[in-house]
Amino acid sequence: NAGVTQTPKFQVLKTGQSMTLQCAQDMNHNSMYWYRQDPGMGLRLIYYSASEGTTDKGEVPNGYNVSRLNKREFSLRLESAAPSQTSVYFCASSVEELNTEAFFGQGTRLTVV
Amino acid sequence: GNSVTQMEGPVTLSEEAFLTINCTYTATGYPSLFWYVQYPGEGLQLLLKATKADDKGSNKGFEATYRKETTSFHLEKGSVQVSDSAVYFCALIRSGDSSYKLIFGSGTRLLVRP
Repeated sequence: NAGVTQTPKFQVLKTGQSMTLQCAQDMNHNSMYWYRQDPGMGLRLIYYSASEGTTDKGEVPNGYNVSRLNKREFSLRLESAAPSQTSVYFCASSVEELNTEAFFGQGTRLTVV
Repeated sequence: GNSVTQMEGPVTLSEEAFLTINCTYTATGYPSLFWYVQYPGEGLQLLLKATKADDKGSNKGFEATYRKETTSFHLEKGSVQVSDSAVYFCALIRSGDSSYKLIFGSGTRLLVRP
């Protein structure tokens, strides 16, 4: 079972470049999320999508945009990358229940130089 | 606001030692509480959860009890193995949050030596 698939796994960008991180899930989940993981700070929510066609800001949305292309796919775009966006990015999905398990992709390690 | 506080790591133990990783939370209402584990080079996966006060979550020899009076959800294991070396995250979902988004602690790295 594929679960949550993220691409790419690694990326190096120059300051000012743009890129899109792709995420797809095959579990028919309505809710999808983008987190960033930084040392000593745990995971912080960037954006989330409660259902197809809706997106909302999380804790740290500045410098990012998202698109919920369909129920399966939720992409994260950096329009003009900055060194402060060097991080590991995780996509996750879940059903919309209080006690539910979230399923995570393997992450994208992004370095902005 | 809603937050999760974990003990700082790294925690270094010898194989078969007893493990405790402390976690306390601040949240309105009655959140659901979770422990996620991240093995090297991988994404997070659910280790255990508890959904109401005094519930005990357990999996793979790990346990945690939802303590409403102390707002805590400490992770314990009686005898750790080298294969338990990973980063452990405590997290909550706030009751009444229709987005069901997880709020994470900062993570605690566990290193188990043979």
